[in-house]
Amino acid sequence: DAMVIQNPRYQVTQFGKPVTLSCSQTLNHNVMYWYQQKSSQAPKLLFHYYDKDFNNEADTPDNFQSRRPNTSFCFLDIRSPGLGDAAMYLCATSRDRGRQRVSFGPGTRLTVL
Amino acid sequence: EDQVTQSPEALRLQEGESSSLNCSYTVSGLRGLFWYRQDPGKGPEFLFTLYSAGEEKEKERLKATLTKKESFLHITAPKPEDSATYLCAGFSGSARQLTFGSGTQLTVLP
Repeated sequence: DAMVIQNPRYQVTQFGKPVTLSCSQTLNHNVMYWYQQKSSQAPKLLFHYYDKDFNNEADTPDNFQSRRPNTSFCFLDIRSPGLGDAAMYLCATSRDRGRQRVSFGPGTRLTVL
Repeated sequence: EDQVTQSPEALRLQEGESSSLNCSYTVSGLRGLFWYRQDPGKGPEFLFTLYSAGEEKEKERLKATLTKKESFLHITAPKPEDSATYLCAGFSGSARQLTFGSGTQLTVLP
């Protein structure tokens, strides 16, 4: 089945220690998104790639970076995680930037000690 | 600024007790209203997209409707397995992105 895959599902890091979360997709979609979701809150868009074109949200902290080496893979790098960065990180894809369905992966739960 | 507000925040129903979840939106140039289901510790699962006022879509015990200002998710005779958080999101034609509400946490008791 075509899907969005995230690894790892659970990640524990220490305060200030860089961490990378990964996402892959078999849907061959052009757009890949990273959302941050804290407990009982709405998913918040951090940035997205339309093909190789990177689009950062205005309020996304500089601490968060992303890479998309090819169509299938996208990475979220947190350079110096703080306690406030503990959250669920959701990768999602869509065929285009229109009003098509956005398909989500299972998420990575990040804990910062 | 685009906003999506869901109510109630939490809803407890007895099995078989029908109810509705509300999603109010102010999204510039709304191009689609999406409903997702999210189970604890998992990513959102797509349910419906509604594109224009008056549109309705159904899936099993769920029916979604759309007006010019809000959307409703009607749950008919719910079962315990319908327990989840239901998220709605508006797609803005100008911002070209989804704006999510905070969700309604539904618990269906046997």
